[in-house]
Amino acid sequence: EAGVTQFPSHSVIEKGQTVTLRCDPISGHDNLYWYRRVMGKEIKFLLHFVKESKQDESGMPNNRFLAERTGGTYSTLKVQPAELEDSGVYFCASSQPGRDYEQYFGPGTRLTVT
Amino acid sequence: EDQVTQSPEALRLQEGESSSLNCSYTVSGLRGLFWYRQDPGKGPEFLFTLYSAGEEKEKERLKATLTKKESFLHITAPKPEDSATYLCAVSVKAAGNKLTFGGGTRVLVKP
Repeated sequence: EAGVTQFPSHSVIEKGQTVTLRCDPISGHDNLYWYRRVMGKEIKFLLHFVKESKQDESGMPNNRFLAERTGGTYSTLKVQPAELEDSGVYFCASSQPGRDYEQYFGPGTRLTVT
Repeated sequence: EDQVTQSPEALRLQEGESSSLNCSYTVSGLRGLFWYRQDPGKGPEFLFTLYSAGEEKEKERLKATLTKKESFLHITAPKPEDSATYLCAVSVKAAGNKLTFGGGTRVLVKP
């Protein structure tokens, strides 16, 4: 069974530019989550999708971040415009119905804003 | 506010030298506590879920236990391949499915 995949693995952009991160969850996993880890800090929750609906977006830092999950399959996280403090590793995770808490993580996208 | 604190931050062990990692938590209504392993450049890898005080889970050289205030991850006779960062996370009843993570413990096992 394929795991959670994320693209790109690494992105370097300048302040003010736009970046879109993609996550493909494990097949059959209705739940999809975004987390991020900024330098020296613990992993923090951003938001949770159930299929195509946003269930919880309490962790989204501000309106420069836009997450979508069209058709309930893959998800994208767009940062526009990027700021220096957005640098970090963005993780995507997914879980299956009935085992919601067992979240399986992707390898992450390392975002560097210069 | 829900808090998860892991100690120590780093641990250096000789191969075969058993030890324990601590995860203490302060939450309002624990639904579950999770242990993950993370290797450099990779995402967290799920290890265990613990739901209630007194529960224990084992996997190879790892054993996780849970009390009402903390969890321990015991590493018995570790091998160099057990070197990784071990992360603890909690799910809280009033907070949906989101996980709150601790800062992790970096474990280095020397041969």
